[in-house]
Order: sequence, then structure tokens, then C-alpha cells
Amino acid sequence: GQNIDQPTEMTATEGAIVQINCTYQTSGFNGLFWYQQHAGEAPTFLSYNVLDGLEEKGRFSSFLSRSKGYSYLLLKELQMKDSASYLCAVRVYNQGGKLIFGQGTELSVKP
Amino acid sequence: GAVVSQHPSWVICKSGTSVKIECRSLDFQATTMFWYRQFPKQSLMLMATSNEGSKATYEQGVEKDKFLINHASLTLSTLTVTSAHPEDSSFYICSPLDRYEQFFGPGTRLTVL
Repeated sequence: GQNIDQPTEMTATEGAIVQINCTYQTSGFNGLFWYQQHAGEAPTFLSYNVLDGLEEKGRFSSFLSRSKGYSYLLLKELQMKDSASYLCAVRVYNQGGKLIFGQGTELSVKP
Repeated sequence: GAVVSQHPSWVICKSGTSVKIECRSLDFQATTMFWYRQFPKQSLMLMATSNEGSKATYEQGVEKDKFLINHASLTLSTLTVTSAHPEDSSFYICSPLDRYEQFFGPGTRLTVL
């Protein structure tokens, strides 16, 4: 079966760094995505990892270890607008490229 | 980035009625369309996958006769919730696939009274 785990919620302070972890157990792994979703809106793409290592994009970085079934999203210099839900999603091979989503991590950034 | 539209953005209907949600990819052709729904405080749950011109493949637990999906063209897919009930109230999001990149529509908030 497919299983993706993330913490349900996290709280951090403005200006700080926060790491959101994601572990997965899936068959036919074909890439891991991170999305940001504000309440009542559709997800917006943040990052994509298919090979092991760190991908950096401005204040956001994402790391992947395929052997450990583990990824994290790192957010630096937190801003109030970063308060949102962060979704980890795994693409599965040979199933039309569909994404399986974790339950999402609700991040609250406080002043 | 790609432009995806959904219509309506929100709808309120009476129990027992049917509601059609349209999803359009405005600047690319989507051979594959995913439909998700999201209940409050929960993540996106895949409902079905459809390929243009073919019947949709539904995920386990999703009634194909209740959630009718039509993917008649590469730029338009529709989801019809038939005989809607209050438990169908949710946020429905379409997600077209452009080669290897998956985009998301802005979502449709359905409230069934």
C-alpha cells in the first residue's frame, strides 16, 4: 500500500527556520513534491525531488533520501505569509503519474 | 506557469440535485486529468484519473455512478456530482497533467444543503 506521513501541525517564529519532515512507503516511487496550500485555495508548487540530495530555491529547500523514504522541506527567514498547510506528495510509477498526498502539515508562524 | 480554470468557484445546492464542475486547461493540452477532493482540515484525496477519450479510473471507495467524469477534449474535463448529499460537501480540485508536470485548478467549493 501507499503511506505518507507528516506532522499534523507545527508552530514557528517569524524570522526563524523550520523543517517539515515527510516519510513515505510507496511502490514505484517516481519523485516527491512539496506544495503550499492556503485555506480555501488550491495547492501551489514549491519543489520537486527525484534524486537524492538537496534542492534549494530561495528561502525554500527540499531534501530527499530515497533509501530512507524520507524528505524534508526547509523554510528559512520565516514570514507571516508562510502560515499555510504544506503538503508532501509522491508520484507513483505506472499509474498515470498520479500524486499521492500526505495529510499535510499546518504551519503557524507567530510574531 | 500553466493556467487552469475551474467553474464554478463555489456552488450551493439542495440535496438530491446534480452539480457539474468544469475544468479547463487554458494554455496547454492535458491528456490526463486527476480529480481530487478535500474535506476541511484534511489533505487532497484522489478520486479518479481520466485520459482524454477514455473512461475514468476511479479510486477505491469512490462511486463511479455518483461522480461522473467526462474528458472529451484535451482542454476540458467535467465532474458531475449526481444526487448530491450533504456529505458530498467538499472542495473539489482538478489537476491536469502536462507531460510530466501536474498543475492544479483553483478549486470548487461545493455545499449541499
